[in-house]
Amino acid sequence: KQEVTQIPAALSVPEGENLVLNCSFTDSAIYNLQWFRQDPGKGLTSLLLIQSSQREQTSGRLNASLDKSSGRSTLYIAASQPGDSATYLCAVLYSGGGADGLTFGKGTHLIIQP
Amino acid sequence: GAGVSQSPSNKVTEKGKDVELRCDPISGHTALYWYRQSLGQGLEFLIYFQGNSAPDKSGLPSDRFSAERTGGSVSTLTIQRTQQEDSAVYLCASSYQGAEAFFGQGTRLTVV
Repeated sequence: KQEVTQIPAALSVPEGENLVLNCSFTDSAIYNLQWFRQDPGKGLTSLLLIQSSQREQTSGRLNASLDKSSGRSTLYIAASQPGDSATYLCAVLYSGGGADGLTFGKGTHLIIQP
Repeated sequence: GAGVSQSPSNKVTEKGKDVELRCDPISGHTALYWYRQSLGQGLEFLIYFQGNSAPDKSGLPSDRFSAERTGGSVSTLTIQRTQQEDSAVYLCASSYQGAEAFFGQGTRLTVV
C-alpha cells in the first residue's frame, strides 16, 4: 500500500523567505503527483500536477519537482507572502490501479509571519 | 458545471439518523473520489469510482457507509445510523482519467 509522508509537519517563517516543502512516497510506480493547498475550513485547491514522465512544473512563485527513483517531490515557494499561509498537501496517484484513489500525506502547516 | 459541487454544505443530524451527501463532479470527469477529514486530521480515503467499473469499497469505515454513482455522474454517500464519530468534513473530488483532480468545498457533518 502506497504511503505518503510530508516533512516538516509545520513550518513558520518570516515573510520574503524562500522555502521548500518535502513529500516522499514508498512506491515509485506512480501515475502522477499533485500538490494542493487547503485553507482553514475550506476544500482543497490544486496547485501543481506532475505527471510521472515529468521532472518539474512551475506556476508563478511555485515550483514542484519529482524524482520517481528516490520517491521524492519538493514544493519550492519563492518570496513567501502571508497569503501563502495554509496547509500544503501532497497526493500520489498510484499507477497500479485506482482502488486507493489519490493517496495523501498528512500535510505541512505553513505560517508566513508578516 | 464550473467545478465540483457538494451538497449540503453543512448538515447537523441526530445520532441514529441516516444522511445522504451528494457530489456533482465536473462534467465529463470519469473518476470520482470520496474522502473524510476529521477535525485537525489528514484526509481519509473512503471510495473511488472510475468510469463504469465497480468501485473498491474496502476503504469505507463500516457497513453503515455506502456510496453509489448513477450514470457515471452524480454520486451519493449514505451513512446509516449515524454515530458521533462520523462527524467530519466529507470531501469529493473528480478527475478525467488520471489527470488533475479537483475538489469540492465539502460537506461538514455534525452528529449530535
